[in-house]
Amino acid sequence: DAGVTQSPTHLIKTRGQHVTLRCSPISGHKSVSWYQQVLGQGPQFIFQYYEKEERGRGNFPDRFSARQFPNYSSELNVNALLLGDSALYLCASSPSAQRLNTGELFFGEGSRLTVL
Amino acid sequence: ELKVEQNPLFLSMQEGKNYTIYCNYSTTSDRLYWYRQDPGKSLESLFVLLSNGAVKQEGRLMASLDTKARLSTLHITAAVHDLSATYFCAVDEETSGSRLTFGEGTQLTVNP
Repeated sequence: DAGVTQSPTHLIKTRGQHVTLRCSPISGHKSVSWYQQVLGQGPQFIFQYYEKEERGRGNFPDRFSARQFPNYSSELNVNALLLGDSALYLCASSPSAQRLNTGELFFGEGSRLTVL
Repeated sequence: ELKVEQNPLFLSMQEGKNYTIYCNYSTTSDRLYWYRQDPGKSLESLFVLLSNGAVKQEGRLMASLDTKARLSTLHITAAVHDLSATYFCAVDEETSGSRLTFGEGTQLTVNP
């Protein structure tokens, strides 16, 4: 069975540009969460989506947005890129939006974004 | 605001030795997770601790949770080089869904 898949795996952008990152959850999982991991730090929660609705948002500016599609895949969009947006962006899927009862939160390999 | 603190942040140890990584958190929660991350890779789930007093073991790693003290430990027994990685603890706030707050990570290096 395929795990959480993310694309692209690596990308380089310049300041001011826009980026779209994509995530396909594990089959049967309806919740997708996005995390940002800056080098040398722990991941930070950005968004959670469930059934195409935003269920949670972390402390990130409005330049960050996301959406979830009917097939439960998701996109993370970042506008007006800053140098500080350089990070590994991780997508995680879980069966539901409820508290994790058995730790069923699975992470993809991530999209590594470099902003020059 | 939930804070999760790990210590030490860097740990260099010899093969065969034992050591403990500590994870303190600032709010009530009965769910704590440990992840492993190899350089350039994603997060691998190690342990899920779902209640006070929970203890789980896998190979040379053992994790425990004390919700009253808001403390979790990850104990390494007779370390081997393959355990070299960064270890994160993460806490699930009681009011949230599948939203984790991570510690800064402990970078473990096991030397021959």
